[in-house]
Amino acid sequence: QQPVQSPQAVILREGEDAVINCSSSKALYSVHWYRQKHGEAPVFLMILLKGGEQKGHDKISASFNEKKQQSSLYLTASQLSYSGTYFCGTEIQGHSGAGSYQLTFGKGTKLSVIP
Amino acid sequence: GAVVSQHPSWVICKSGTSVKIECRSLDFQATTMFWYRQFPKQSLMLMATSNEGSKATYEQGVEKDKFLINHASLTLSTLTVTSAHPEDSSFYICSARGQGADTGELFFGEGSRLTV
Repeated sequence: QQPVQSPQAVILREGEDAVINCSSSKALYSVHWYRQKHGEAPVFLMILLKGGEQKGHDKISASFNEKKQQSSLYLTASQLSYSGTYFCGTEIQGHSGAGSYQLTFGKGTKLSVIP
Repeated sequence: GAVVSQHPSWVICKSGTSVKIECRSLDFQATTMFWYRQFPKQSLMLMATSNEGSKATYEQGVEKDKFLINHASLTLSTLTVTSAHPEDSSFYICSARGQGADTGELFFGEGSRLTV
């Protein structure tokens, strides 16, 4: 049930863009994105609930293709502060069509932004 | 935003002893809390779902007698690692979703680093 994230790691120069992908073999109810800095707990970025939904704030946005069971996180004009490991967390659909309430996390994508 | 607090943030113990980690939701009631375990440079692996007033639901492969979970109130869940051994050394993180929240962000505790 663990979602698959790609790429595993990416190195960017400040100002460059990146896309992180997350795919699941199960029908999804929601997709969550978190960023974790070394030695710290994950920090929430955003949730996507509906198929085709796209959200964003500042220069970080995400899309959710419910039919393809995929989500992508877009980081534009990257800043040094964007460095960290990004995890997608997927919530599968329960029998009633509602969410299962549990999140399963992908293996993470390590993003390094260099000057 | 909502705050989840974990204590202790780090602990070193001898093999064979038990260690208790507390997870508190400070400004909201959490009917459900989740306990994750994270090895260095790896993902968060769900260990168990802690439900207030009932038994925890453990993920496959997680020993119930090894990792005791108690969720006695709407603001506190505890994880006790019993008879800890070096292979139990890890980063343990709790998280919570608020009461009545069908779906919403997980609020993570700061994590507890256990070294046996």
